Amino acid sequence: AQSVTQLDSHVSVSEGTPVLLRCNYSSSYSPSLFWYVQHPNKGLQLLLKYTSAATLVKGINGFEAEFKKSETSFHLTKPSAHMSDAAEYFCVVSDPQVSGGYNKLIFGAGTRLAVHP
Amino acid sequence: NAGVTQTPKFRILKIGQSMTLQCTQDMNHNYMYWYRQDPGMGLKLIYYSVGAGITDKGEVPNGYNVSRSTTEDFPLRLELAAPSQTSVYFCASSFLPRQPENAFFGQGTRLTVV
Repeated sequence: AQSVTQLDSHVSVSEGTPVLLRCNYSSSYSPSLFWYVQHPNKGLQLLLKYTSAATLVKGINGFEAEFKKSETSFHLTKPSAHMSDAAEYFCVVSDPQVSGGYNKLIFGAGTRLAVHP
Repeated sequence: NAGVTQTPKFRILKIGQSMTLQCTQDMNHNYMYWYRQDPGMGLKLIYYSVGAGITDKGEVPNGYNVSRSTTEDFPLRLELAAPSQTSVYFCASSFLPRQPENAFFGQGTRLTVV
């Protein structure tokens, strides 16, 4: 069975400093991995996705993530935090269903990022 | 603007009451999904639909019903509300069949059952 663990429930950084949100996954085969962002009172927005191409994936708003198979990690980073980055971030693994019409998305518990002036 | 629209945004229900959460999309997507998000948790799939007239259960379907009479609309019905159904509900739609990661999400409905 596939699973996702986000190692920090809350991360607080100062504006202009780097951001690191940690994610580890468990998968019995090559996974597809994603990061989503959820701003307050908003729906989810896809930040970036890894689907077995380049291991360093660039997303929107300056975020990127590196897939490390040996460490089963998919950490999200950004060189310089902006106040508008304050939100909740979810690491997600896709579990293809043998039957049914969809890929099951397995969500981590989320990491709330706070950005201070 | 095109996208997924959910109504209402907020609702308080008493135990045992029923209600319907509305979801409509104007992108002509065949695939639609209902998720619930509990505090400190990610999303869990309640029901999904692969097209008009076709629905199926997700991970946590108990206590809910859905219908899909048109491509645009995918309402979620709670028949006998329970406190365990207090949650934020998200509707989503996608064009590609096996890529819910590319889904568009609505803004959510925050439901409290008291």
